[in-house]
Amino acid sequence: QVQLQESGPGLVKPSQTLSLTCTVSGGSISSGDYYWSWIRQHPGKGLEWIGYIYYSGSTYYNPSLKSRVTISVDTSKNQFSLKLSSVTAADTAVYYCAMKGGSGNAFDIWGQGTMVTVSS
Amino acid sequence: QSALTQPASVSGSPGQSITISCTGTSSDVGSYNLVSWYQQHPGKAPKLMIYEVSKRPSGVSNRFSGSKSGNTASLTISGLQAEDEADYYCCSYAGSSTFWVFGGGTKLTVL
Repeated sequence: QVQLQESGPGLVKPSQTLSLTCTVSGGSISSGDYYWSWIRQHPGKGLEWIGYIYYSGSTYYNPSLKSRVTISVDTSKNQFSLKLSSVTAADTAVYYCAMKGGSGNAFDIWGQGTMVTVSS
Repeated sequence: QSALTQPASVSGSPGQSITISCTGTSSDVGSYNLVSWYQQHPGKAPKLMIYEVSKRPSGVSNRFSGSKSGNTASLTISGLQAEDEADYYCCSYAGSSTFWVFGGGTKLTVL
């Protein structure tokens, strides 16, 4: 059973780059037709898809965030990462990593989420 | 403002059935049978309940069902139980430019 765990700083200063890593356990990030995703949830709000990466390295981003987002994969560590540049308070949210593809076209496995606050 | 429109709240008594709607456009819900539904309890990660409009992942109760008509998808929960009280989010594929959009969420209260 694949499990996902986010890690990274809980506090980021405005204008800096938010960096998070998702560690995949219980399966290989390189196997299967899976897309490794980042989704965020602003406090008390709904979900927002940020983007995802295929193990081969192909990336797909939310057009509203595309200019600031980079998602990468490290198959040797079974991890994938999110970088969001030039952050503002509007980027304060719980960030989830998720796997798409195990159950068709849906995000079927999620990490527990990590809260990131943007503040000086 | 979310791309998909859901009612802010719905409620029902134990044993009853409720339906949550998710209204999109001809560019997302109306064009693809790629609607999924997620249940989220407070402080927890979302859990996939329905995928591809009406399919249930292994382990999800058959009290949960999904459907779609035109630009509106629906999640129905029958035989309401106290444990069903949670927030529910719909999600749809929206094409190769936008990719994935979510609804704003619906808070289900079991009276």
